[in-house]
Amino acid sequence: AQSVTQPDIHITVSEGASLELRCNYSYGATPYLFWYVQSPGQGLQLLLKYFSGDTLVQGIKGFEAEFKRSQSSFNLRKPSVHWSDAAEYFCAVGATDSWGKLQFGAGTQVVVTP
Amino acid sequence: EAGVAQSPRYKIIEKRQSVAFWCNPISGHATLYWYQQILGQGPKLLIQFQNNGVVDDSQLPKDRFSAERLKGVDSTLKIQPAKLEDSAVYLCASSPPGLAVQETQYFGPGTRLLVL
Repeated sequence: AQSVTQPDIHITVSEGASLELRCNYSYGATPYLFWYVQSPGQGLQLLLKYFSGDTLVQGIKGFEAEFKRSQSSFNLRKPSVHWSDAAEYFCAVGATDSWGKLQFGAGTQVVVTP
Repeated sequence: EAGVAQSPRYKIIEKRQSVAFWCNPISGHATLYWYQQILGQGPKLLIQFQNNGVVDDSQLPKDRFSAERLKGVDSTLKIQPAKLEDSAVYLCASSPPGLAVQETQYFGPGTRLLVL
């Protein structure tokens, strides 16, 4: 069974600084990997996804993520954080035989300070 | 394009009462998901529909939870009777027809349930 670990429960970053959120997964084959963002009182919004090919994936809102098979990781990055990036971020993994079922990590809460 | 609609947005009930949540997916989306998100955790899939058929309900507590999608469009999730541990946000998501795992899931705003 697949699983996802987000080691950081909470991260505080200054506006304009870079951000990296960690995600480690466990899955026997090549996984389908996703990053979602959840703003307060809102549903989840897809930032980016990886299925195959180029291991560096570009997403919306200036985010990117890199798939590293050797490290079983799919870390999310943004070069310069804006105050509007304060939210909770979820990494998720899906399997080809899962009919769309996603396994979500516990999330990382990002706080942006002035 | 209208997003996924859910109602109510908030609900407070006492334990052992029943409650129902409604979801209207994006038009044309064949797949519909119900997730439970407990505070401090990621969403957990409860049930997945493909049109009006159930694809996966392995994590649905069937002794108290039920869900239906009779006409393959909107869906209702019911809890009867509710327990304290059911306090959570219930998220509905939908995705277009296609290889399900590759399709983007679009989430509604959720229903926040508090069981007292």
